Amino acid sequence: EAGVTQFPSHSVIEKGQTVTLRCDPISGHDNLYWYRRVMGKEIKFLLHFVKESKQDESGMPNNRFLAERTGGTYSTLKVQPAELEDSGVYFCASSPTGARGQETQYFGPGTRLLVL
Amino acid sequence: RKEVEQDPGPFNVPEGATVAFNCTYSNSASQSFFWYRQDCRKEPKLLMSVYSSGNEDGRFTAQLNRASQYISLLIRDSKLSDSATYLCVVNPLAYNQGGKLIFGQGTELSVKP
Repeated sequence: EAGVTQFPSHSVIEKGQTVTLRCDPISGHDNLYWYRRVMGKEIKFLLHFVKESKQDESGMPNNRFLAERTGGTYSTLKVQPAELEDSGVYFCASSPTGARGQETQYFGPGTRLLVL
Repeated sequence: RKEVEQDPGPFNVPEGATVAFNCTYSNSASQSFFWYRQDCRKEPKLLMSVYSSGNEDGRFTAQLNRASQYISLLIRDSKLSDSATYLCVVNPLAYNQGGKLIFGQGTELSVKP
């Protein structure tokens, strides 16, 4: 079974540019999460989709970040315009619905974003 | 104050040693608890869930003390392959409800021959 995939694996952009990150969850997983790790800090939650609906977006840092999950399959996270402090590793995770399934979140390999 | 605090690392131990990681969490309403493992420049992976009764998986034993808001992980007979960063993780929701994970900063373990 294919795991969570993320694209691109790395992105280097200049301050003020736009970047779009993509996450493909494990097939059939309704729950999709975005997390971010800024250098020297802990991994922090950004938001949670259940299918195409935003269940919890309490971790989104500001309105420069826009997440979508059209059709309830893959998700995109757009940063526009990017700032230096947006640099970090962006992880996506997914889990199935159902009592047992939701216990484990499966993480993708992450996108390493560097804003210069 | 951080929501989840862990022992600062790194821990450098010889093969075969027993090593213990400790973690405290600030939100007494937290309902589910986990240890994740993260290898260098890789994604976090669930190592084990932590239940109130304590649980064991081979060489790994996890304990939870809700009254003290304290979680521990014990690794016995450590192997070179145990070298990684161990992340203490809590969730405001129950194990079967999904929801956001709140991570500690992680403790790095290096097992030497």
